[in-house]
Amino acid sequence: LAKTTQPISMDSYEGQEVNITCSHNNIATNDYITWYQQFPSQGPRFIIQGYKTKVTNEVASLFIPADRKSSTLSLPRVSLSDTAVYYCLVGEWYGGSQGNLIFGKGTKLSVKP
Amino acid sequence: DTAVSQTPKYLVTQMGNDKSIKCEQNLGHDTMYWYKQDSKKFLKIMFSYNNKELIINETVPNRFSPKSPDKAHLNLHINSLELGDSAVYFCASSQEASGRDQYFGPGTRLTVT
Repeated sequence: LAKTTQPISMDSYEGQEVNITCSHNNIATNDYITWYQQFPSQGPRFIIQGYKTKVTNEVASLFIPADRKSSTLSLPRVSLSDTAVYYCLVGEWYGGSQGNLIFGKGTKLSVKP
Repeated sequence: DTAVSQTPKYLVTQMGNDKSIKCEQNLGHDTMYWYKQDSKKFLKIMFSYNNKELIINETVPNRFSPKSPDKAHLNLHINSLELGDSAVYFCASSQEASGRDQYFGPGTRLTVT
């Protein structure tokens, strides 16, 4: 699984757009980029997934440049309920990889009123 | 209806005991997983099962054994519990064996005293 690097924390205010960038320099050809959201005392929740260019769903957008060495999760007009930890995960797990499949510490987003 | 459920939610036990955590998913997914989230919030995959076959076996102690009676269930049995086993354990499932788009359970907080 490709190693990812994210900011440890970010602060924002309600109504703002938040962009969280993840670096994954050693991403492999078959790897997908997935973002999860985790609230305290809950399991992670899938947000969005992409391979290249741009993906948009009802929750967020994911921007992936041509070299795929980074990706940006964009949350439009955040609210207080978006305060959570956001994990970037890169990899293709099928095949029985024995690598370290670790989510990492993620980015703790704090949205203020 | 809960998509992925785990029981118990909290488990406090003494060192040396044997305990099990149950997981059930009603999504009709083909693959289920167990993750461990430690005190530093790292979320690390332990096992995954696809159609009753173990396809990822992370380097965890053999005191941990996943048991899948059917496609909808993946239980985690732990023998001879140690202090270091204290963590939150999450069950997850996905339609594809690649691990994309996983749905997580609420977690089981295990405390070993």
